Amino acid sequence: EAQVTQNPRYLITVTGKKLTVTCSQNMNHEYMSWYRQDPGLGLRQIYYSMNVEVTDKGDVPEGYKVSRKEKRNFPLILESPSPNQTSLYFCASRAGGGRGSPLHFGNGTRLTVT
Amino acid sequence: GENVEQHPSTLSVQEGDSAVIKCTYSDSASNYFPWYKQELGKRPQLIIDIRSNVGEKKDQRIAVTLNKTAKHFSLHITETQPEDSAVYFCAPISYNTDKLIFGTGTRLQVFP
Repeated sequence: EAQVTQNPRYLITVTGKKLTVTCSQNMNHEYMSWYRQDPGLGLRQIYYSMNVEVTDKGDVPEGYKVSRKEKRNFPLILESPSPNQTSLYFCASRAGGGRGSPLHFGNGTRLTVT
Repeated sequence: GENVEQHPSTLSVQEGDSAVIKCTYSDSASNYFPWYKQELGKRPQLIIDIRSNVGEKKDQRIAVTLNKTAKHFSLHITETQPEDSAVYFCAPISYNTDKLIFGTGTRLQVFP
């Protein structure tokens, strides 16, 4: 089954404790991206990647890191989480190319930083 | 940079009525126009999309119309049902940039 798998679904942590949220897709998509969703602010892009070893900042990259060592994986790293990073996070992928294609989302990770 | 606006932010309709949500964008290089539906507690999922060489596309009760000159596209839902209640997002894609900006969402409530 074609899917984007995110883990964990829920995560509670403390300020400053490094964490990683994993994202994997099995559709051979070139494009992968991370979003955070906050009430009243919709979905905001954190980072995106057009292919292996190619990553770029979205609208809200501060406090986050990503890596794309393999085509299928795109982990989100919070080196020193802070309470303002408490949010619902989604990973998504789509086929590359200039014509545009639909995003496939993971099930989301609800992160709480205390 | 790219600006994407969505209106209205909330919409309440009676079951059986129609609903229209509008998305306005600023990047004239936008060439792909999707609409996503997000039910409570779930992930967004594509419900319909349209490309820049087409003016309208229909899929049963759902349609999308595109006005490239005015830079807006709209989601039309006819004969609404309670299961249409959700938040709807637009997210136009441009061939000029790989950055993606979503509209801020429209919460649709359909009352039985």
